[in-house]
Amino acid sequence: DAGVIQSPRHEVTEMGQEVTLRCKPISGHDYLFWYRQTMMRGLELLIYFNNNVPIDDSGMPEDRFSAKMPNASFSTLKIQPSEPRDSAVYFCASRSTSGRGNEQFFGPGTRLTVL
Amino acid sequence: AQSVSQHNHHVILSEAASLELGCNYSYGGTVNLFWYVQYPGQHLQLLLKYFSGDPLVKGIKGFEAEFIKSKFSFNLRKPSVQWSDTAEYFCAVTAMNRDDKIIFGKGTRLHILP
Repeated sequence: DAGVIQSPRHEVTEMGQEVTLRCKPISGHDYLFWYRQTMMRGLELLIYFNNNVPIDDSGMPEDRFSAKMPNASFSTLKIQPSEPRDSAVYFCASRSTSGRGNEQFFGPGTRLTVL
Repeated sequence: AQSVSQHNHHVILSEAASLELGCNYSYGGTVNLFWYVQYPGQHLQLLLKYFSGDPLVKGIKGFEAEFIKSKFSFNLRKPSVQWSDTAEYFCAVTAMNRDDKIIFGKGTRLHILP
């Protein structure tokens, strides 16, 4: 299995631009999570989906952030317009309810820099 | 609501020293417990997990953790650390058999001096 796949791995953009981060979960996993990690705030859960449906988006910082999961194998996190304070590493993770122990598998992350 | 508390934010040790990282959780029901490790510049990887059975759990790279239900604790230990153990360590909890998110602690940065 290829694991959780994220793209791009690095993104540098200018303030005000739209940014789209992509995630492909592990095949067969029915939960997908988006996290943001910064030095100041640590690891934050932004939103998670179950069977492509958003379950909890209370961690989404503001309306500039949106996430979609159009099918079981793809999700996007969009920031529009981006701001320098959005600079962080964004991780996607997935898990299966059929496995034991509810383990989450993390992708390699997207390092976002907003200038 | 569930919560996870990691007592140490930064730990500095010399090679061969023994390690214990504290983790306490808050939840009244049956839980699954995890320790994840994040090496510099990398993503989180599972170190070990507890979901039932023997409360002493052994993970990769010589790590182990002990679940003490009465203390709501799941401390991570390693008898002799190596320079390559330099990383950030996250404790996490989720309610057993519930379709729910994992609650992560704020992490402990471990720095091993060569």
